[in-house]
Amino acid sequence: EPEVTQTPSHQVTQMGQEVILRCVPISNHLYFYWYRQILGQKVEFLVSFYNNEISEKSEIFDDQFSVERPDGSNFTLKIRSTKLEDSAMYFCATLESQLHEQFFGPGTRLTVL
Amino acid sequence: DAKTTQPTSMDCAEGRAANLPCNHSTISGNEYVYWYRQIHSQGPQYIIHGLKNNETNEMASLIITEDRKSSTLILPHATLRDTAVYYCIVRVAGNNNNDMRFGAGTRLTVKP
Repeated sequence: EPEVTQTPSHQVTQMGQEVILRCVPISNHLYFYWYRQILGQKVEFLVSFYNNEISEKSEIFDDQFSVERPDGSNFTLKIRSTKLEDSAMYFCATLESQLHEQFFGPGTRLTVL
Repeated sequence: DAKTTQPTSMDCAEGRAANLPCNHSTISGNEYVYWYRQIHSQGPQYIIHGLKNNETNEMASLIITEDRKSSTLILPHATLRDTAVYYCIVRVAGNNNNDMRFGAGTRLTVKP
């Protein structure tokens, strides 16, 4: 069964550093999402991406965040200058069409020191 | 999007059916009911979804009331590996901007 993959599984970084989280979507999927989950809290929507542009973003997704699909396959989330409160699990999800279900990746655990 | 209400936690004996309720009294006519679960800190896993008819797949059954204001997810023979947080989400399908909005969910504990 096809699956969404994410790298790295765990990223440790210093506050103020830039990080890039990567996602490889399922091959025929057209819609891409990033979510985050702070330890012990609920899964929160960050951003959705379709047709090479952001479709929707939450209030969490401020100017420190950006997304892109640089090579037509990988879908990346960049945090320009990490803060302690960015420590969380980050999940990528992809969707074939809006009539289907979202498939989630295993997540990247980001630890900001 | 309509909001959902779920019990915070539930227990179920191994081998028995687990019935997880969800209230969505303000659901709109074009909103689907989706169920996901999250085992420990893994990525959410899709279980099932439906609009107004009852649905069944290899994982579970979804029973939606006739007025669509509530639904029940049924795991027919719960195993220890079904211990997870279960999320009921209502969402419009066919809208390009729709994401999944997760609540707190129900923490199901399957006990031996």
